[in-house]
Amino acid sequence: DTEVTQTPKHLVMGMTNKKSLKCEQHMGHRAMYWYKQKAKKPPELMFVYSYEKLSINESVPSRFSPECPNSSLLNLHLHALQPEDSALYLCASSQPPLGQGGTDTQYFGPGTRLTVL
Amino acid sequence: KQEVTQIPAALSVPEGENLVLNCSFTDSAIYNLQWFRQDPGKGLTSLLLIQSSQREQTSGRLNASLDKSSGRSTLYIAASQPGDSATYLCAVSRGTYKYIFGTGTRLKVLA
Repeated sequence: DTEVTQTPKHLVMGMTNKKSLKCEQHMGHRAMYWYKQKAKKPPELMFVYSYEKLSINESVPSRFSPECPNSSLLNLHLHALQPEDSALYLCASSQPPLGQGGTDTQYFGPGTRLTVL
Repeated sequence: KQEVTQIPAALSVPEGENLVLNCSFTDSAIYNLQWFRQDPGKGLTSLLLIQSSQREQTSGRLNASLDKSSGRSTLYIAASQPGDSATYLCAVSRGTYKYIFGTGTRLKVLA
């Protein structure tokens, strides 16, 4: 099974709402990622969890709060978002790299299309 | 700072043509390079991953090459089909867990 699932597929929220995006994989991968992708732009890395610990935070505003409850699940909690946060949010997973550095093959979910009103 | 550029930005070809997509990167100190395809509004699908020590990888009608010294990779698609229509992204890995994505090539294969 090489599938990464994300829920919901679409989300519309107001600027005062609190919502969460969910991501799940059962490939035994110990690295999980959140990316943000604006229309016709490449994905931008937001967060990386390695062995359930936050490994990378690419200076993302605190209104985005990641959580990794276990090795299969990754959440992204959203609060007080701005309209410019509207985008496709992609989750990915991979095996941690062997040796020093690098990144193994990443498997992506279908994404959550977020609209902030 | 690593910059990754893909040329052309868009490409439209008739079905059956062989085609080449290009990816250029400014810093040759990479661990590996991965090619993805993305259908509109969907997630990314991994096509090929080339380690920095490798020169090429093949999967079916796809062949990707890597020339680290010149900072270039090419994705060759043989006998293109309408189902190949998508955006193709290359991504270079320069640090642990970090991929830097290229600007993408939007491919349309006409039946």
